[in-house]
Amino acid sequence: GNSVTQMEGPVTLSEEAFLTINCTYTATGYPSLFWYVQYPGEGLQLLLKATKADDKGSNKGFEATYRKETTSFHLEKGSVQVSDSAVYFCALRTNFGNEKLTFGTGTRLTIIP
Amino acid sequence: GAGVSQSPSNKVTEKGKDVELRCDPISGHTALYWYRQSLGQGLEFLIYFQGNSAPDKSGLPSDRFSAERTGGSVSTLTIQRTQQEDSAVYLCASSLDHPAGGYNEQFFGPGTRLTVL
Repeated sequence: GNSVTQMEGPVTLSEEAFLTINCTYTATGYPSLFWYVQYPGEGLQLLLKATKADDKGSNKGFEATYRKETTSFHLEKGSVQVSDSAVYFCALRTNFGNEKLTFGTGTRLTIIP
Repeated sequence: GAGVSQSPSNKVTEKGKDVELRCDPISGHTALYWYRQSLGQGLEFLIYFQGNSAPDKSGLPSDRFSAERTGGSVSTLTIQRTQQEDSAVYLCASSLDHPAGGYNEQFFGPGTRLTVL
């Protein structure tokens, strides 16, 4: 079956530090990959996505590249801000008419000034 | 426009009672999903509706869980004889129809926090 494994948290970084949150997946076929973010007190929001191998998703300074050879979709940001503090979820969706998202367990990120 | 809404936002119940959770999707969204967010379990898929039918119910954890959708709009998730392990945040999401080979973003509601005492 499909599964997503992401970096255990919590992660605490200083402002302007470089961020990497690792995500690897197991799936049949060619999944689409996503990062969702949940800010404190808010609902889950799509941060970025990639639908095929070597695609790079980007938004709000965050990037992730779909690596089929390593089955990975690591989230990166060059310089984090306090406002990036949130829980980040890696997820996949297969393209075989099964529309559900399979999520990782989430990584809580705290940025300190 | 209005996003996905869920009610109640919080529900505290006693073990053994039944509960109903409601989801109002974005107008015009034909696809609707229920997920559960538990401590230590992350986000788990429960059920998917396309219109009023549910082609994928594979995530419902037991026969105490059921869901329906009427008029291609509002959905209700019912948990009978609640257990303490049912305590979680229940999230609803909706999206436009899925074109073949394509993807339409799922928009999530704020969730219902269920606590079973």
